Amino acid sequence: ELKVEQNPLFLSMQEGKNYTIYCNYSTTSDRLYWYRQDPGKSLESLFVLLSNGAVKQEGRLMASLDTKARLSTLHITAAVHDLSATYFCAVDNSGYALNFGKGTSLLVTP
Amino acid sequence: GAGVSQTPSNKVTEKGKYVELRCDPISGHTALYWYRQSLGQGPEFLIYFQGTGAADDSGLPNDRFFAVRPEGSVSTLKIQRTERGDSAVYLCASSPTRPGRDEQFFGPGTRLTVL
Repeated sequence: ELKVEQNPLFLSMQEGKNYTIYCNYSTTSDRLYWYRQDPGKSLESLFVLLSNGAVKQEGRLMASLDTKARLSTLHITAAVHDLSATYFCAVDNSGYALNFGKGTSLLVTP
Repeated sequence: GAGVSQTPSNKVTEKGKYVELRCDPISGHTALYWYRQSLGQGPEFLIYFQGTGAADDSGLPNDRFFAVRPEGSVSTLKIQRTERGDSAVYLCASSPTRPGRDEQFFGPGTRLTVL
């Protein structure tokens, strides 16, 4: 059974600071996705990582994938309040079903 | 363009009742997925359709749950004899013809409350 673990589960950080969210998974996969969810809203796709060493950046967020270590990271640079949300990583090893972590609830404070 | 839509947005029902949840995928997307998200958790896979057929329904929790997609577009998730434990947000997603390579686009969800 594929297990996906995120840490931390809760993160409070000051504006302007940097931080990294980690996503570990238990079985081989080269397909990993990051989603953002605002309270009461659905999931918004952030990044699709489809190969070992993949790195993608959008604004203050950068995601990477190390399939050998079964690890993905989501790095936040110079956080701003608008980044406050819950971030999920999801791993696909079946070709269709996404296995989600529990999510990291991020709060950016002044 | 229009995204994935789901109706109703909220559904409150009594234990033992039957409910139907509807999903309208993005036009042209052949792959459709249902997930269930409980409070404080990530979504859990329920079922995957490729066209009209259910390619994998292994995530459905028991035989009270059933889903159809008769014309390869709109899908309906049906829950019989609802239980309080069925309360959750039911999310639908769709993707173009290459599941596993294309991202899945999620709808706003239906929040189901079983009293």
